[in-house]
Amino acid sequence: AQSVAQPEDQVNVAEGNPLTVKCTYSVSGNPYLFWYVQYPNRGLQFLLKYITGDNLVKGSYGFEAEFNKSQTSFHLKKPSALVSDSALYFCAVRDRATDSWGKLQFGAGTQVVVTP
Amino acid sequence: NAGVTQTPKFRVLKTGQSMTLLCAQDMNHEYMYWYRQDPGMGLRLIHYSVGEGTTAKGEVPDGYNVSRLKKQNFLLGLESAAPSQTSVYFCASSLQEMNTEAFFGQGTRLTVV
Repeated sequence: AQSVAQPEDQVNVAEGNPLTVKCTYSVSGNPYLFWYVQYPNRGLQFLLKYITGDNLVKGSYGFEAEFNKSQTSFHLKKPSALVSDSALYFCAVRDRATDSWGKLQFGAGTQVVVTP
Repeated sequence: NAGVTQTPKFRVLKTGQSMTLLCAQDMNHEYMYWYRQDPGMGLRLIHYSVGEGTTAKGEVPDGYNVSRLKKQNFLLGLESAAPSQTSVYFCASSLQEMNTEAFFGQGTRLTVV
């Protein structure tokens, strides 16, 4: 069975500082990994994904994520956070080798608060 | 191009009432999903579909039924609503390739009193 864990309910960071949002996963095969962002009263918006190849993935709004197979992690990063980055961030996974073909599973989400 | 549209956006139900939430997508996507979002619980998968006429259970399927009679529509039904089903419901869709991202609707806020 596939699962996703986001160990931090909330991350607080000052504007201009680096931002990291953690995600670990568990799959039986190789994963497809995704990050989404949700602003208040809105649906989720896609940020970036890891498919294969380069372990550092670049996405929208200056975000990037690093895939680490040995640690089964896919942490989201931004070198310099903005107040407008304050939102709820979700990590998600699909398992390539699964009897639940197509299933897309999300973590519990991490609230990011960027203070001026 | 509307993307993923959910109907209705808000609804209040009395315990025991039934209702159907409609999700429609115009992107010719094969995969469609229904999630519920509750504070501290993240997005939990209720049911999903990998193609017209097929459905599968997710993490929290009890109390819900779904149908995918047409490729563009994915219906979520509550036969007898309970207060525990008070939540925000999101529909999503994606292409059938596993490496593609999902597109989300704006959500339906359901309150069961």
